[in-house]
Amino acid sequence: GDSVTQMEGPVTLSEEAFLTINCTYTATGYPSLFWYVQYPGEGLQLLLKATKADDKGSNKGFEATYRKETTSFHLEKGSVQVSDSAVYFCALSSKTSGSRLTFGEGTQLTVNP
Amino acid sequence: GAVVSQHPSWVICKSGTSVKIECRSLDFQATTMFWYRQFPKQSLMLMATSNEGSKATYEQGVEKDKFLINHASLTLSTLTVTSAHPEDSSFYICSARADQDYSNQPQHFGDGTRLSIL
Repeated sequence: GDSVTQMEGPVTLSEEAFLTINCTYTATGYPSLFWYVQYPGEGLQLLLKATKADDKGSNKGFEATYRKETTSFHLEKGSVQVSDSAVYFCALSSKTSGSRLTFGEGTQLTVNP
Repeated sequence: GAVVSQHPSWVICKSGTSVKIECRSLDFQATTMFWYRQFPKQSLMLMATSNEGSKATYEQGVEKDKFLINHASLTLSTLTVTSAHPEDSSFYICSARADQDYSNQPQHFGDGTRLSIL
């Protein structure tokens, strides 16, 4: 079945540092890939998405490129801010999974001033 | 756009009480809605998928009679936790998707409901 593996957290960075959160996936066919962010006590917000190989999703300074050859969708940001502190979830949807989202375990990011 | 409203955001009630949680899509019609449960510091666990006008599809291990789901319109789904007990305490999150084309349509999430059963 489908699966998503994220780098283990927590991740702690200083403000303006470079961020990478690794995400790799296993799926049959050509899944769509998503990054969601969850702030404390809240639901999930869609951060960015990519629906086919080599697509780059971007939003609020975050980027991720759909790499089919490495089955990866790593999240990056060049300069993090304190307000980026949250839990980040990588997810996919595919025909195999029907209408469901398959989530990674989530990565807690803390950015210190 | 694509706003999902979930209500209430926090519920505290006594053991044995039934609790209803509402999930509304405010600016789009949601063909499909999903209900998740999230334990502290963990990922989301899908409980059930509901399509408007039809019975919900529950994930393995989720009690249908315990967690009643109704998706009566294209903008509203409800989750009722019947005869809630302390072990049902959790963070419940709904999401909605506009149409059947899952490949391009992300799910949009509500802000969650924190349920505490005393």
